[in-house]
Amino acid sequence: DQQVKQNSPSLSVQEGRISILNCDYTNSMFDYFLWYKKYPAEGPTFLISISSIKDKNEDGRFTVFLNKSAKHLSLHIVPSQPGDSAVYFCAASETRPGSNYKLTFGKGTLLTVNP
Amino acid sequence: SQTIHQWPATLVQPVGSPLSLECTVEGTSNPNLYWYRQAAGRGLQLLFYSVGIGQISSEVPQNLSASRPQDRQFILSSKKLLLSDSGFYLCARGSGFAFPGANVLTFGAGSRLTVL
Repeated sequence: DQQVKQNSPSLSVQEGRISILNCDYTNSMFDYFLWYKKYPAEGPTFLISISSIKDKNEDGRFTVFLNKSAKHLSLHIVPSQPGDSAVYFCAASETRPGSNYKLTFGKGTLLTVNP
Repeated sequence: SQTIHQWPATLVQPVGSPLSLECTVEGTSNPNLYWYRQAAGRGLQLLFYSVGIGQISSEVPQNLSASRPQDRQFILSSKKLLLSDSGFYLCARGSGFAFPGANVLTFGAGSRLTVL
């Protein structure tokens, strides 16, 4: 059972435009969400996160939105740059004691930003 | 520094051969450590995690095992590899909780395993 879903395997956008990557989750116990970026043959790197007590978190060109009622989050990149081309993973976790701090990841979305 | 070292970076092994992937981490003591696998079309799957020396939890039944002989060392092993063990193996350490934050994983560069 996939608890974190990224239904778009790939996304292609033009440089300067907005990239919107989507993620859905099914486990209502998840209360912290993260986005990771991964280049080929490298480990993922942390990008941005959001707690369930918020509905938006912004860091430079990156903004994450959380809709708890819909169990949906999205990552917006504005403006998109060719260097943003990578696989983006959505991840979720529970912060309750005993959860052992595990992150559950989606399958990833390959973003291609065309010059 | 929260650097994570993984080796070997790549390896090609025949079916039925043993496996040992090593991970060592720098930084604060007693980190939570994790092994993830990225298989084709399957995202990042948690295989094992460890909250301390000798403490290993397995997430999925499989042909692999993990050990933590030292505080900052995490080893992934197999006695006999299967074709389905091919993938990109990632070691990670957790940042630990800091309310209202949560655990942020830092990943190593990964080990690419091809089983033929």
